[in-house]
Amino acid sequence: VIWMTQSPSLLSASTGDRVIISCRMSQGISSYLAWYQQKPGKAPELLIYAASTLQSGVPSRFSGSGSGTDFTLTISCLQSEDFATYYCQQYYSFPPAFGQGTKVEIK
Amino acid sequence: EVQLVESGGGLVQPGGSLRLSCAASGFTFSSYWMSWVRQAPGKGLEWVANIKQDGSEKYYVDSVKGRFTISRDNAKNSLYLQMNSLRAEDTAVYYCARRDYPLDYWGQGTLVTVSS
Repeated sequence: VIWMTQSPSLLSASTGDRVIISCRMSQGISSYLAWYQQKPGKAPELLIYAASTLQSGVPSRFSGSGSGTDFTLTISCLQSEDFATYYCQQYYSFPPAFGQGTKVEIK
Repeated sequence: EVQLVESGGGLVQPGGSLRLSCAASGFTFSSYWMSWVRQAPGKGLEWVANIKQDGSEKYYVDSVKGRFTISRDNAKNSLYLQMNSLRAEDTAVYYCARRDYPLDYWGQGTLVTVSS
C-alpha cells in the first residue's frame, strides 16, 4: 500500500494569489498522478493527469509538476471560481488511492 | 457531450441490499473501463471498483470485496453496482466515472444511506 500525504489540508488565500498544494508518496509512483477539483455539492472534475498534463478545457493557470514521490498542483492566479477542494490520486499501484484533500478557502 | 447519470440510491437498513445504476451517453460506452468512487458525508474520495470494457476484469477495494459486485451492460450503455450486506460505513454518495485511471468524467452521484 502506498501512503499519501496531501498538504495543507486547509489553505486560506485571496483572489490573485499563487497557490501551491503538495502531494507526497511513501514510495515512487513515476508520473502516475492526477489532480481533481471538487466544488460543494458537485462531482469531482479532472484537472491534471500524468502529473503535469492539463485535461482538455482546464484553464492554463492550473499546472502540475513532480515525479517519483513529490508532486505539486499550482494555481498561478487564483480566481473566485477556484475556491474548492482539491484531491490528488495515485494510479501507479492498487488500490488507486486519493489524498485527503485540500480545501482552498477565501482569506 | 459525455453524460453519466446515477440512480438507485436511498435509505436501506444494515444488512440490506441496493443496486445502483449509471446510464452513460455521449461516448462509445463499450470502449472504456468504468469505475465507481464513493464519498462519505464530509469526507474524502474513496475508489470502490472498476470493470474492463468487456466485463472480463473487475477489481474492488478490500472493504467491499465479497459484498459488492460491479457489472455492465454494453447494449444498454449502463454500469451497475450491486451492494449486499450493507453497513453503516457504506453510507456515501456513489459516483460512477469513466475510465480506470484517470477518471475523466463523473456523474452527479447518488446518495446511499445505511441506517436503521
